[in-house]
Amino acid sequence: QQQVKQSPQSLIVQKGGISIINCAYENTAFDYFPWYQQFPGKGPALLIAIRPDVSEKKEGRFTISFNKSAKQFSLHIMDSQPGDSATYFCAASKGNTGNQFYFGTGTSLTVIP
Amino acid sequence: NAGVTQTPKFQVLKTGQSMTLQCAQDMNHEYMSWYRQDPGMGLRLIHYSVGAGITDQGEVPNGYNVSRSTTEDFPLRLLSAAPSQTSVYFCASSYSLGNTEAFFGQGTRLTVV
Repeated sequence: QQQVKQSPQSLIVQKGGISIINCAYENTAFDYFPWYQQFPGKGPALLIAIRPDVSEKKEGRFTISFNKSAKQFSLHIMDSQPGDSATYFCAASKGNTGNQFYFGTGTSLTVIP
Repeated sequence: NAGVTQTPKFQVLKTGQSMTLQCAQDMNHEYMSWYRQDPGMGLRLIHYSVGAGITDQGEVPNGYNVSRSTTEDFPLRLLSAAPSQTSVYFCASSYSLGNTEAFFGQGTRLTVV
């Protein structure tokens, strides 16, 4: 059973457009929600993360929106660039469990010049 | 500071062979874990460790063993390789208890024939 559901599986966006990736979870014990970015042949790298006490977090062109009541969170990439083309994973974990992340299935983003 | 180092990068095994995937980190992180990445399934936790001498099972532990004799090293052993273990394996580490950034290695691509 997938604890974190992610959509869409793939996304094609024009340069300068907005990319939106959505995730949903069921376990209300989750209290940390990171997004990881992965380029081909590389390991995932942390992009941005949020805790459920805030509804939004912004870092540069990347924003996480968090809806605790709906148990959903999303990643918005503003002014998408070709260099943003990568696979994005949402994840969730519980506070006292170290590195025990539950990952979504990933979204392959392609930004067309 | 090399971060998380995994060896080998690529490996082909025959069914029934055993091998050890190596993982080392030089950041003095307490927490280390192993994930496997399969197409359409994201990353799934195999085993994790919260410190030297302490390990536990994740979502998909069957067919794998781990040990943690030092803070730096966390090897993953495949006891009797099966084609279902064909995957990309990632080792990750993080600093402390609670929700903190996980640093991933570059991965080991394993094919079992």
